[in-house]
Amino acid sequence: AQRVTQPEKLLSVFKGAPVELKCNYSYSGSPELFWYVQYSRQRLQLLLRHISRESIKGFTADLNKGETSFHLKKPFAQEEDSAMYYCALGTALPLGRGRWAGGTSYGKLTFGQGTILTVHP
Amino acid sequence: EAGVTQFPSHSVIEKGQTVTLRCDPISGHDNLYWYRRVMGKEIKFLLHFVKESKQDESGMPNNRFLAERTGGTYSTLKVQPAELEDSGVYFCASSRGGLAGGGNTGELFFGEGSRLTVL
Repeated sequence: AQRVTQPEKLLSVFKGAPVELKCNYSYSGSPELFWYVQYSRQRLQLLLRHISRESIKGFTADLNKGETSFHLKKPFAQEEDSAMYYCALGTALPLGRGRWAGGTSYGKLTFGQGTILTVHP
Repeated sequence: EAGVTQFPSHSVIEKGQTVTLRCDPISGHDNLYWYRRVMGKEIKFLLHFVKESKQDESGMPNNRFLAERTGGTYSTLKVQPAELEDSGVYFCASSRGGLAGGGNTGELFFGEGSRLTVL
């Protein structure tokens, strides 16, 4: 069974400081990892995914299969980064019913418990 | 483009009563998912529709939960009869396509959630 662990429930840093939100996963197959973020009074939204290998809002995350980790990093935190961050593992599921057979879906996500990041001025 | 909408935003019911939550996905999104976050715990998958078909309902807790997506548009999640442990936030999400390489990149678009309180 797959599992995602975010060891820190709360993380506080000062503006301009580096920040790292930890995420470890366990999954026997080939994982797809995502970071979702929920800002205050907003809905949960995708921040970045490992297959894109992109930097969003200054955040990056590298998939380390040896350490089964997908830590989220930003060199200089900003106050607007304060939010709840969720690491999520997507498992590719074959769509096997009817005319959808043969496709894949990554929508079944296993979430970590989330980390509340607070960036102080 | 309108996002995923959920109704009601908050529902307070007594144990044993019935509640129906509704989700309207983004227009054109074939995939629709229900998730739930119980207090203090992580967000957990409940089920997945591709159009009107239930693709995966492995996360449904028990037979008190019934999800439908008639016509492949909006979906409802009914809890009958509700129990105390059903309290939590129910999220709906949708995504494009159904085939790898056909636009399903794994990005889910979430609604704001329906908070259910069972007394």
